[in-house]
Amino acid sequence: GQNIDQPTEMTATEGAIVQINCTYQTSGFNGLFWYQQHAGEAPTFLSYNVLDGLEEKGRFSSFLSRSKGYSYLLLKELQMKDSASYLCAVRDVDSWGKLQFGAGTQVVVTP
Amino acid sequence: ETGVTQSPTHLIKTRGQQVTLRCSSQSGHNTVSWYQQALGQGPQFIFQYYREEENGRGNFPPRFSGLQFPNYSSELNVNALELDDSALYLCASSLRDRIGYTFGSGTRLTVV
Repeated sequence: GQNIDQPTEMTATEGAIVQINCTYQTSGFNGLFWYQQHAGEAPTFLSYNVLDGLEEKGRFSSFLSRSKGYSYLLLKELQMKDSASYLCAVRDVDSWGKLQFGAGTQVVVTP
Repeated sequence: ETGVTQSPTHLIKTRGQQVTLRCSSQSGHNTVSWYQQALGQGPQFIFQYYREEENGRGNFPPRFSGLQFPNYSSELNVNALELDDSALYLCASSLRDRIGYTFGSGTRLTVV
């Protein structure tokens, strides 16, 4: 099985940087995803890591260390619209469609 | 390119009743997965359908069942509803052997 841990809530100021950590324990690993979810809406894809290292996409970057079972999502130049829940999810190597999600980190951006 | 469409958006049912939720997958996607998301929690995998067959299931009882149709749309059926079944039910479509999953906006089910 898999266990995904991420902080419950983080607060940051508009224009600042926030780093959301995610640790996982898995019997099989086939990639790690980050999703953004606004209240009452669908999760939207942010990033995907399957190899160690940093993936950068605009204001968002994601890092993976498979040996440490660790990932982080970095949000730069925070905007008010970035206030949302951020979900870390690991894909099981034995089941293509199965994503194991963490409980989500609620990011609150203040003026 | 259309996204994933789920219906209905909201639903209220009584304990013991049965419910059917529907999902139209994104154009070109042949795999559909269903998730249950309780308030304040991450989505939990229910099952996945590929080529009209279930080929992966999470830790949910048999009263959760599904179908996939030739056009890749899908249904989630839940029998003998319990209060704890109250949640947001999300459908995600994907193309097998590709990375991306597209989620629908979900159906908010309330069991009273």
